[in-house]
This record gives sequence, C-alpha cells and structure tokens, in this order.
Amino acid sequence: EDQVTQSPEALRLQEGESSSLNCSYTVSGLRGLFWYRQDPGKGPEFLFTLYSAGEEKEKERLKATLTKKESFLHITAPKPEDSATYLCAVQPSADRGSTLGRLYFGRGTQLTVWP
Amino acid sequence: DGGITQSPKYLFRKEGQNVTLSCEQNLNHDAMYWYRQDPGQGLRLIYYSQIVNDFQKGDIAEGYSVSREKKESFPLTVTSAQKNPTAFYLCASSPRGADTQYFGPGTRLTVL
Repeated sequence: EDQVTQSPEALRLQEGESSSLNCSYTVSGLRGLFWYRQDPGKGPEFLFTLYSAGEEKEKERLKATLTKKESFLHITAPKPEDSATYLCAVQPSADRGSTLGRLYFGRGTQLTVWP
Repeated sequence: DGGITQSPKYLFRKEGQNVTLSCEQNLNHDAMYWYRQDPGQGLRLIYYSQIVNDFQKGDIAEGYSVSREKKESFPLTVTSAQKNPTAFYLCASSPRGADTQYFGPGTRLTVL
C-alpha cells in the first residue's frame, strides 16, 4: 500500500533559525513528489514537483530535495510569514492504470516561525 | 483571472439532507478531483474525473456522488448516506491526469 509519512508533526522555529521537514514514502513506482503550502482555512498552494532522485528545486527561502525513499523541504532563515502547514504528496507511476493522476498525501507538518 | 472557484465557502446542513458543493475552473484543465480534509489527517480522495462524462471513485466515495457534464464544472453532492460529512472539502484540477494539481479555496461543511 502506498504511504506517505511526514515529520515532525509540528515545528516551532525562531525567525532566522533554519531547519528541514521530512517526507518519507513507500510506493511501487514514483512518478512525482509534490510539496504544497496550506494556510489555515485555505486550499493548498503548489510549491514544487520533484521527479527523480537527486533533483532539487528552490523558491525563495525554500529548497526541496528528493532521494529514493524521502524528500526534504529545507527552510533557510525563515520568517514569520513562512508559518503554515506544509503538505507532501506522491503520485505513483503512470503504469498503474486506474490510479493515474491521483495523489497520496501525508498529514502535513505545521510550521510556526516566531519573531 | 484563471483559477478554481468553490462555493459556498461555508455550508451548514441538517441531518438527512443532501447538499451540493460547487467547483468551477477556467484553466481549461481536463482532470478534476475532490478531496476531503479532516483535522490531523491527510487529504483523502473522494472522486476524480479525467475527461468529461467520466469519473472514478477514490478511497472514500461512499455517501458522495459527482457529475462531469462540462469540462469546467465538477459538482460534489454529499448525500444523507454519508455518516460523518462535517469536514473541509477541496476541489483540484490538473491539465491532464498526471500533471500537477491546483487547488481551490475549499468549502467547510458542517452538519447541525
């Protein structure tokens, strides 16, 4: 069964204190791994897609990396506006037939950055 | 502006009633999805559709129904058979089934 586990569940950082969020996954074949940001009461906002081990993507203070078993979302010198829940999702390989396109989500990491 | 709209933002339902949640997109995306989000849980797939007039059940389809008569619209009906419908409902779309999914703002449904 495809599974996605995110850790930690919650993370509190002081402004400027860099850290990483983890997303470990088990799928029979990975087509893509997705990171989203979700603010309270709103829909998830797309951040990154990673497709192969070794790939990295960056956006402002965020950098996502991918290995064969997990992905990390590195946050460098975070600011209070980075506070949100970060969601990880995996998309199994396209040859899964009826599961084409569907995502499996982790429970998210709730990040709080205080001044 | 292109995007995904969901309405209403908040919805209150009495037990035994059916309610329909609206999802519209003007992104010309082929695929659309409905997810349910509960506190402390990941998003769970209810239904998805990759083309007009076709849709598939997700992991928790019982008590829900959908239609896809137009490319831009994918309404979700929460029926009285859904035993615990109070949740945050999210609609998403993607250009094709295997592409990045983009989410709407969500509808919070509360059963009174």
